[in-house]
Amino acid sequence: GENVEQHPSTLSVQEGDSAVIKCTYSDSASNYFPWYKQELGKGPQLIIDIRSNVGEKKDQRIAVTLNKTAKHFSLHITETQPEDSAVYFCAATPGAQKLVFGQGTRLTINP
Amino acid sequence: GAVVSQHPSWVICKSGTSVKIECRSLDFQATTMFWYRQFPKQSLMLMATSNEGSKATYEQGVEKDKFLINHASLTLSTLTVTSAHPEDSSFYICSARDSLRNIQYFGAGTRLSVL
Repeated sequence: GENVEQHPSTLSVQEGDSAVIKCTYSDSASNYFPWYKQELGKGPQLIIDIRSNVGEKKDQRIAVTLNKTAKHFSLHITETQPEDSAVYFCAATPGAQKLVFGQGTRLTINP
Repeated sequence: GAVVSQHPSWVICKSGTSVKIECRSLDFQATTMFWYRQFPKQSLMLMATSNEGSKATYEQGVEKDKFLINHASLTLSTLTVTSAHPEDSSFYICSARDSLRNIQYFGAGTRLSVL
């Protein structure tokens, strides 16, 4: 089955700097890769996703890149703000199956 | 984005009682919903996959008689924690898959405390 590894587990950056979180997956059949943001005491919120037919997707300050050959995908947040502080989870799935999540990254934005 | 409503957000119950948690997709139909459990500072642990009109599929190690799942309509799934014990205290989160777009949205979670 699919296995997703996420790094780093914690990340601290200065406000205004960029943050990058990386994930690798094992199942080459996986074709959908969402990213979720979870604030303390709340459910995960979908922030961006990418499908295997594209290599990059951007939404304002957030972008995701996908390298199918290397089986890894990354989340990029630019011009970070304090409200970006949260736990971020990557996930992968081969089609209409259950999502397999990474271990999560606790991002802290220092003012 | 699509909305998944989960209730209650917080519940305290006595040991031995049962608790029901509801998960509703508000603006899309969800033939498939999922129930997760999350321990502090850990990732989401899938408990079961709920399919509308059929029996839920439980993950290995999850007691189906303890965690009863019902998915009677395309917009509602319920999780009942039966005969709750303190070790069942946790954060339970549901999600619903938008069947048309194949995107999974999450509820706000339910914090269960069993005394």
